Amino acid sequence: AQKVTQAQTEISVVEKEDVTLDCVYETRDTTYYLFWYKQPPSGELVFLIRRNSFDEQNEISGRYSWNFQKSTSSFNFTITASQVVDSAVYFCALSGTTSGTYKYIFGTGTRLKVLA
Amino acid sequence: DAEITQSPRHKITETGRQVTLACHQTWNHNNMFWYRQDLGHGLRLIHYSYGVHDTNKGEVSDGYSVSRSNTEDLPLTLESAASSQTSVYFCASSDGHRYGYTFGSGTRLTVV
Repeated sequence: AQKVTQAQTEISVVEKEDVTLDCVYETRDTTYYLFWYKQPPSGELVFLIRRNSFDEQNEISGRYSWNFQKSTSSFNFTITASQVVDSAVYFCALSGTTSGTYKYIFGTGTRLKVLA
Repeated sequence: DAEITQSPRHKITETGRQVTLACHQTWNHNNMFWYRQDLGHGLRLIHYSYGVHDTNKGEVSDGYSVSRSNTEDLPLTLESAASSQTSVYFCASSDGHRYGYTFGSGTRLTVV
């Protein structure tokens, strides 16, 4: 079975702190894709990143970085120097060939609160 | 610009009524999906379609149905609304894994 676990239900940090959101996944597929989405208080879902199972390079985009480690089945998301605008719910998702080529399995989300 | 729109944004209905939530996309995506979002559960897949006349059940499909008569639309019907179906519903479309899902803005449904 495919599964995504985001064990951190809610995290609170003070502005400018670094914060890491954890994502652990389970799949038997050799080819799969991992995603992160952001849901700000306004409610829309915003795509942040996609990573395929053959690309273990870490990704950095501005203050955001992602650490993909197949050995531990993790795809963690770090925000450096957090800002109040980063306050949102963040979802990790998995899509593999077993679950259907284009279906995503989502984690339960991590609510990040960045305090001024 | 291409977009994906959901309507209505908010809906209050009574138990037992049939309700249809609309999803319309102009991305020309073959793949369309319906999810519901509930606290503590994240997003759970209700139904999905990979093309015209193709529909498939997701993990929480009981009480819901969809039909795909064209590329642009995937309406979600609640056959007989129940209080357990009070939720926020998201429609999404994609052309594969390259860019991930594009989500609609969501429909907040309350069943009283």
